[in-house]
Parts: sequence; C-alpha cells; structure tokens
Amino acid sequence: DAGVIQSPRHEVTEMGQEVTLRCKPISGHDYLFWYRQTMMRGLELLIYFNNNVPIDDSGMPEDRFSAKMPNASFSTLKIQPSEPRDSAVYFCASSLSQGGTQYFGPGTRLLVL
Amino acid sequence: EDQVTQSPEALRLQEGESSSLNCSYTVSGLRGLFWYRQDPGKGPEFLFTLYSAGEEKEKERLKATLTKKESFLHITAPKPEDSATYLCAVQARTGGFKTIFGAGTRLFVKA
Repeated sequence: DAGVIQSPRHEVTEMGQEVTLRCKPISGHDYLFWYRQTMMRGLELLIYFNNNVPIDDSGMPEDRFSAKMPNASFSTLKIQPSEPRDSAVYFCASSLSQGGTQYFGPGTRLLVL
Repeated sequence: EDQVTQSPEALRLQEGESSSLNCSYTVSGLRGLFWYRQDPGKGPEFLFTLYSAGEEKEKERLKATLTKKESFLHITAPKPEDSATYLCAVQARTGGFKTIFGAGTRLFVKA
C-alpha cells in the first residue's frame, strides 16, 4: 500500500488567497483525520471523519477553515482567506477502526506570506 | 481537561547510553496511549499502542511501559539513527475519538 498521500507537499501563498490541501487515505480505512503542527502548539487535531461523515470539527480554528470528504478515497482541507498565522505543517492521517492506529501522511508545509 | 506532558523537551545521549523518556497524562478514562517517532520533514510514524496499566511492548532498542498516570519509552543502547522526536498521544473513553498529543521529546544520539 502506498500509505496516506498528501498534496501538495509545499505551498507558498499570499495572505487572502484560498488554499486547498488534499489527502488520499489508505484504502479500506474508515477514519480520516486532519492535524496541524506548529512549534508553539504542537500537533493539534482539527477534524475527523468516519465513513466520509464529519464527526468532530471542534478543533477547526475558525470559519475560514473547512473540510470535506466527498468519497472514501479523497478529502480536502480548505482555508479561505488564508492568513500568515495559518502557516504550519498540515497532516492527514487514517485509521482502520475507532481507537486504532493512525497512519500519517508526509504532510503539507504551508507558508502564508 | 485531558492533558499530555512529555519530558524532557530535549535529550542528548552518547551512542550506547541508555535512558528513558516520560509521558504523563491526565485523561477521563484511558482508551489507549500511543507512541510515535517523527523525523524532520516527515509525518509521525507509529511505534506502540498501550491500553492498560502494567502493559509493556518492545521493538528493537525501544520498550514502552504504562502505569495509571504515565508512560515511559526506554531506549537501550541507542544509536545515532534513533535520533528523532518522540511523540506520545492519548485517547479518552469519553468525549469522542479525539487524540491528544504531547509536545514531544527531541532525542539526539551522538556517535
């Protein structure tokens, strides 16, 4: 299996622009997670899905952030409009079951100027 | 409030010098405790899952243990390739399926 796939790996954008991050989970995994990692706050859970349905989005920082999972093999995290404080590494992870091991993708390093 | 605290923040060891990393947690009913390794520029890589106090798991030079309040990651005779950030995470039985990560311990092993 190719593991969790994320794109792009790096994104540099200007403040106010829309940013879309993409994730393909491991085939057969029913749970998908979006995390953000910064030096100041560490790794934070933003939102997670079960069978394509958002279950807990309490970690989404603001209405500027939105996430979708239109099918079992694809999810997006969108930031609109982006701000410099959104600069971070965004990880996607998937797991086979509730409470199961989460497998992380390589991350998208976002820089908002 | 559920919380995870890792110590030390950073640890420098000589090759072969064994040591332990600590993960203290406060959670309303532990569902599971996870250890991950993270190399620079990469995503966290799963190491162990522990579910109940007294449980231990081993993998090569690493051994994870769990009590009701903390977990230890013991590193025996480390090598330079063990240099990485080690993350601890917990899941609670209540409050959904949220995973809370600690800030991590950065380990440096010098040859």
